[in-house]
Amino acid sequence: DTEVTQTPKHLVMGMTNKKSLKCEQHMGHRAMYWYKQKAKKPPELMFVYSYEKLSINESVPSRFSPECPNSSLLNLHLHALQPEDSALYLCASRRQDAWDYEQYFGPGTRLTVT
Amino acid sequence: AQSVTQPDIHITVSEGASLELRCNYSYGATPYLFWYVQSPGQGLQLLLKYFSGDTLVQGIKGFEAEFKRSQSSFNLRKPSVHWSDAAEYFCAVSSPNDYKLSFGAGTTVTVRA
Repeated sequence: DTEVTQTPKHLVMGMTNKKSLKCEQHMGHRAMYWYKQKAKKPPELMFVYSYEKLSINESVPSRFSPECPNSSLLNLHLHALQPEDSALYLCASRRQDAWDYEQYFGPGTRLTVT
Repeated sequence: AQSVTQPDIHITVSEGASLELRCNYSYGATPYLFWYVQSPGQGLQLLLKYFSGDTLVQGIKGFEAEFKRSQSSFNLRKPSVHWSDAAEYFCAVSSPNDYKLSFGAGTTVTVRA
């Protein structure tokens, strides 16, 4: 299994809602990532988890709250978002070996904030 | 810090013609280099990667790339494009012990019949 899955595929939420994005991989990867991608732009790194611990937070607003309950699962909790947060949210995972730096990406969640 | 430049924002190519996408990187040592493709509304799919060894790398979907240290380049090529190759292409670089990928701005490829 070389797949990263993300749910839901699409999400529409109001600015006062609370919702969560889910990411799962069963490749035994111990590094997991959240990216935000606007149209026609490259992905922007948000968070990195290594061995279930948050290792990088790229100064992301607190209305985005990541969680890594176990080595296969990564969540992104959303609260009080702004319309400018509408984007494609991508999850990725990577082995921790020193020789393999490839990141495997999921299909993304298309988020619309109204 | 490492960085990646993709000089071409948009390329239009005829179906069956060859394609070359340019990528230049800035990094002090040998970087780890990647090409990803993204179809509209989809995630990123890895086309190929270079860590070391043979500087001509073969990837999926008939793509290849050549690492040229003297030019700090990692250009992507395909001899004959198909309409399904219309997509966004991102070059990316990473370095040892670095969790991060640095992406180029991307090149949009349009294929005309």
